[in-house]
Amino acid sequence: DVKVTQSSRYLVKRTGEKVFLECVQDMDHENMFWYRQDPGLGLRLIYFSYDVKMKEKGDIPEGYSVSREKKERFSLILESASTNQTSMYLCASTESVLGRMSEQYFGPGTRLTVT
Amino acid sequence: AQKVTQAQTEISVVEKEDVTLDCVYETRDTTYYLFWYKQPPSGELVFLIRRNSFDEQNEISGRYSWNFQKSTSSFNFTITASQVVDSAVYFCALNEVTNAGKSTFGDGTTLTVKP
Repeated sequence: DVKVTQSSRYLVKRTGEKVFLECVQDMDHENMFWYRQDPGLGLRLIYFSYDVKMKEKGDIPEGYSVSREKKERFSLILESASTNQTSMYLCASTESVLGRMSEQYFGPGTRLTVT
Repeated sequence: AQKVTQAQTEISVVEKEDVTLDCVYETRDTTYYLFWYKQPPSGELVFLIRRNSFDEQNEISGRYSWNFQKSTSSFNFTITASQVVDSAVYFCALNEVTNAGKSTFGDGTTLTVKP
């Protein structure tokens, strides 16, 4: 059974703290993604990665950075958390198949509250 | 730029009713993929179906069916004889082959099925 896991389901941090959200997949997928989900705004792509040590900005990268040192792990970093980063964060992965778009497999999400 | 519109924010039906969730997309590409995902109250998005732009055949899977019409840029999802367990947020997503595997999601439709 394919699995994407995220380090925490719920997280509460203070403004200005550095926050790490971890995501691990066990499917040997090349592609990994970080989204944030807010009511009425759907899923918005923050960053994605096509390979180890490779990353590309998504639609809303400001205030975030990422790290992918190993194929199975993709970390999202909030350098200095702010209250407007309170949100649900979703990690996803997908295999890379030439000429075909694969579906994404999602983790359970991390609900981050910044106070 | 690619865009996905799910005009129905919330739908409420009574069990056993049929319900159709609308999805309209915009793309300049001739090759693209469309997806539907389900997000139950537990939070984890689950893949339901993938369709590529060259395959306009409708698909039926149990109580679920999908109607893809390129002429109207729509990919609608129908649940027949709805059940309480169908209550969830449903997302339609679009991947353009030229957009390097990134998905654009609609804002989602929250379906509530009442007993």
